[in-house]
Amino acid sequence: KAGVTQTPRYLIKTRGQQVTLSCSPISGHRSVSWYQQTPGQGLQFLFEYFSETQRNKGNFPGRFSGRQFSNSRSEMNVSTLELGDSALYLCASSSRPGQGLVDYGYTFGSGTRLTVV
Amino acid sequence: SQQGEEDPQALSIQEGENATMNCSYKTSINNLQWYRQNSGRGLVHLILIRSNEREKHSGRLRVTLDTSKKSSSLLITASRAADTASYFCATDARGYSTLTFGKGTMLLVSP
Repeated sequence: KAGVTQTPRYLIKTRGQQVTLSCSPISGHRSVSWYQQTPGQGLQFLFEYFSETQRNKGNFPGRFSGRQFSNSRSEMNVSTLELGDSALYLCASSSRPGQGLVDYGYTFGSGTRLTVV
Repeated sequence: SQQGEEDPQALSIQEGENATMNCSYKTSINNLQWYRQNSGRGLVHLILIRSNEREKHSGRLRVTLDTSKKSSSLLITASRAADTASYFCATDARGYSTLTFGKGTMLLVSP
């Protein structure tokens, strides 16, 4: 079956602009999580959605937001981009919510590399 | 904040040798997972070990977990050039459904 699909793969934006990234989970998976990866901070959790509801949110400013649609596809939006937002954004899907969510491991997409200039 | 800390930060070995990476974490966990990442691409799930398990095998991978020391190790036996990648441990804290990653070990396997 198809894996987790993230679009676009690469993106270049200017400071102050906003950006929307998309993630399509594995068919049948209803949980989607987002992570930011930078050389300095490593992999950091952004947010998690299950059945269109945000279940958890990481320690990021309000400029970072997300949503999940009824077909489980998810988008994340970053407004008023800053240079420090340049990162690889990874999406992961899983079939189960809650504490059992990670019992079987996540399936990650290839990521969207965002460069802010 | 980072929960796991991998050691070493970088490891260079020859094909056929074994590679051992260590991970330490700070809080109680439900399980610990290891992931591989090739050249800044997506993460690939390698193996998951639950907090009540001490050792787990999967192919050439062997993972140990010592909850009293809050540490884990990943052993890759008979390394191949294709194993060249960054390896991350990730913990799932009790009661939460998110992963906290360490900063990773970069493994270079030379032919």
